[in-house]
Amino acid sequence: AQSVTQLGSHVSVSEGALVLLRCNYSSSVPPYLFWYVQYPNQGLQLLLKYTTGATLVKGINGFEAEFKKSETSFHLTKPSAHMSDAAEYFCAVSDNYGGATNKLIFGTGTLLAVQP
Amino acid sequence: DADVTQTPRNRITKTGKRIMLECSQTKGHDRMYWYRQDPGLGLRLIYYSFDVKDINKGEISDGYSVSRQAQAKFSLSLESAIPNQTALYFCATSDTHSSGTYNEQFFGPGTRLTVL
Repeated sequence: AQSVTQLGSHVSVSEGALVLLRCNYSSSVPPYLFWYVQYPNQGLQLLLKYTTGATLVKGINGFEAEFKKSETSFHLTKPSAHMSDAAEYFCAVSDNYGGATNKLIFGTGTLLAVQP
Repeated sequence: DADVTQTPRNRITKTGKRIMLECSQTKGHDRMYWYRQDPGLGLRLIYYSFDVKDINKGEISDGYSVSRQAQAKFSLSLESAIPNQTALYFCATSDTHSSGTYNEQFFGPGTRLTVL
């Protein structure tokens, strides 16, 4: 079975500081990995995804994540936080290997606060 | 207009009542999903449907049922609501894809359900 662990349910950074949100996964097969963002009172929006190919993935709003197989990690980073980045972020893995289920397994989320 | 809509957006009901949450999409996707979100638990899959005649249980289907009335509509029912079903419910859709690929899931805005 696949699973996702997000370290830190709450992260607070200052505006302009580096954002680092941690995600580790467990999977017995090559995973597909995702980061979703949820702004207050809204649904989830895909930030970026890793399926195959380049392990450094760039997403929207200046975010990027690197797939590190040896560390089973897919941490999300942004060099300089903006107030508008305040939201909840979810890491997810898909059990899509060999079949076509497209199901997502989500982590428990990290709430990012950006201080002025 | 939004591609994935959910009605109602908010609902307060009493224990034992039957509740239906509705999801409609204009994206032309074959696949639809229902998730619930609880604080500290992330999103968990309740049911998913790959087409009108294909409905599958997710990880937490007990106490819920679904109906896929058409390609564009997927309803979630709570036959006899209980307080621990208080949560934020999301509908999502994705396109059909072949094995080894992944198609993004698009989420609705959510329905906040409170069971007293």
